[in-house]
Amino acid sequence: NAGVTQTPKFQVLKTGQSMTLQCAQDMNHEYMSWYRQDPGMGLRLIHYSVGAGITDQGEVPNGYNVSRSTTEDFPLRLLSAAPSQTSVYFCASRPTGYYEQYFGPGTRLTVT
Amino acid sequence: AQKVTQAQTEISVVEKEDVTLDCVYETRDTTYYLFWYKQPPSGELVFLIRRNSFDEQNEISGRYSWNFQKSTSSFNFTITASQVVDSAVYFCALSEQNSGGYQKVTFGTGTKLQVIP
Repeated sequence: NAGVTQTPKFQVLKTGQSMTLQCAQDMNHEYMSWYRQDPGMGLRLIHYSVGAGITDQGEVPNGYNVSRSTTEDFPLRLLSAAPSQTSVYFCASRPTGYYEQYFGPGTRLTVT
Repeated sequence: AQKVTQAQTEISVVEKEDVTLDCVYETRDTTYYLFWYKQPPSGELVFLIRRNSFDEQNEISGRYSWNFQKSTSSFNFTITASQVVDSAVYFCALSEQNSGGYQKVTFGTGTKLQVIP
């Protein structure tokens, strides 16, 4: 099992550019989430999904889109990058229910 | 609304000292789960423990122990005889059902622990 994988590991964007952060898991988990981590802010939930075709907004969804066409993949799209989106992004998955989350290694994004 | 407070932003201890990391939570639900995660300097997030709202027994795992008290809405984490490898950011998290019936997880802002040799 690869667990949760994220690509790329590092990315630099210019303001206004778009990109997709990829996330995949091979554990057949229903629940997947995207978080951003900023200094002093902890991890904040951006979007989450409880299964293919079902997504919902988290705490800080503005500027981000998601979709879930398969159980394995949960990409995060930045349509028009802004410097405020400079952050470390973590994808996580877990089985349905009150279980711990498995996190990917993170993507460090810088928007200039 | 759920909320998790980790009031200690940074803690420094000398190796072999004991240290307690505080976590206070707010929830209206009677069924919820609490978690602790560790983030070492390498950046990955590592699960440490899960505790449900109906189980107030303290847990001990090696040098780690957790004290869950519903009366004070706290889930504190103690490291006994700290070691340099314990240096990390530690996050407390709360999972409960939202209005849509899904379990949402809220993280605290983390406590950075530095263990000085």
